[in-house]
This record gives sequence, structure tokens and C-alpha cells, in this order.
Amino acid sequence: QVQLVESGGGVVQPGRSLRLSCAASGFTFSGFGMHWVRQAPGKGLEWVATISYDAINEYYPDSVKGRFTISRDNSKNTLYLQMNSLRAEDTAVYYCAKDPGDGYNFYFEYWGQGTLVTVSS
Amino acid sequence: DIQMTQSPSSLSASVGDRVTITCRASQSTTHYLNWYQQKPGKAPKLLIYAASSLQSGVPSRFSGSGSGTDFTLTISNLQREDFATYYCQQSYRTPLTFGQGTKLEIK
Repeated sequence: QVQLVESGGGVVQPGRSLRLSCAASGFTFSGFGMHWVRQAPGKGLEWVATISYDAINEYYPDSVKGRFTISRDNSKNTLYLQMNSLRAEDTAVYYCAKDPGDGYNFYFEYWGQGTLVTVSS
Repeated sequence: DIQMTQSPSSLSASVGDRVTITCRASQSTTHYLNWYQQKPGKAPKLLIYAASSLQSGVPSRFSGSGSGTDFTLTISNLQREDFATYYCQQSYRTPLTFGQGTKLEIK
């Protein structure tokens, strides 16, 4: 069965960096697009990034463009999110999610359990 | 950006009821509309994709309809485990956007 396990969250000061990881299993990772979605405490869902199955294409909303970078290592079945210049408003639970296809379906078929990122001095 | 607006924001219902949640897009998303269920402290779960396709393993009491800008999620014969928050999401174009959520509570 599909399993997505995020790690790397924690408390970080504003302006600093953090890298999240998502270990995938139960499917052919290299054949599917992947996403990051976040949820601030008590708030709704916000899409953060998408990467195609072959890592050729990446997509971001303006709120994180230029600060966050999504990447993947298909040899390790692992998805990453490099977050730089963190702000208080980036505080959220970050979920990785699997696309049902190559990455261009742009919806979230399976989700990990999430990892909490807190940006605070 | 495509704005997604759900109504109502909260809803009280009883076990066995039929409920409908509406999602309206600020511009047409054709049929690129998806629905998720989220329980407290848990990750969201995909229920419906492409407006009306039931995700594998999801009970048939869940159904979706609509196209263009207006969509609905209907839950028939509510069960206790259906009390949760529901989100719509458009996958027509980036930035991908969600509705603000509808909290379904037990009456």
C-alpha cells in the first residue's frame, strides 16, 4: 500500500532554512508526480509545490516562489522541500502527497501524516 | 488566481441525513474539481476527483456533481464517521486552490 512519511520539521528562526523529506513506498515512485501541501494551525489547506515524475517541471504559488524548492531523488524514493528565508506565516503542518499520474493531474491521491514546521524567534 | 468558495462554512446534521455542500469557482474549472475529507489531527483523504468520480475505497454514499463554476458534494445516509471537514480543490490551473472548508458536525 502507498506510504508517505514526512520528516525534517521543527522550530526554526525567521530567515533561516529547513529541508523537509518525504520517504515514499508501496508504488513506483519514479512514475508519479508529487506535491507539497501545507496547513497553518487551525486554518485551511494551501498548495505549496508540485514536481513532475521526471523532475523536469516544477510549479509553485507566488507565496513561496523563489524561497522554496521542490526536488526528488528517484533512486532513493524520496521527495524534498528546501525552504529558505522562512517567515512566521510559513508555520504549518507540511504534507507530501502523491499525484495519481505523471504530475500533471494536479490533485492529491494519497497524503502523508504531515510534519510541523514552526517559524519563531 | 481561481478563488474557491464553499457553502456553508459549517453544517449540523444527524446520522442518517442527506447533506449537500456547495463549491463555487470564480471562473470555470470545467470538470477539474476534487473533494477531500479531513478529520481532526489527520491528513486529508481524497473522496471525489474530476467532479464526479469516486475514489477507490470511498463509500458510495459520497457523490459529486457539477461542472464549470458550480459543484456539489452530497453525502447520503450520514454515518458517524462522516463528521469531518470537507474541502474542494480546483486542478484546472496553477496556482492550485482550495475552498475554505465546510465543517460537518453532529446535531
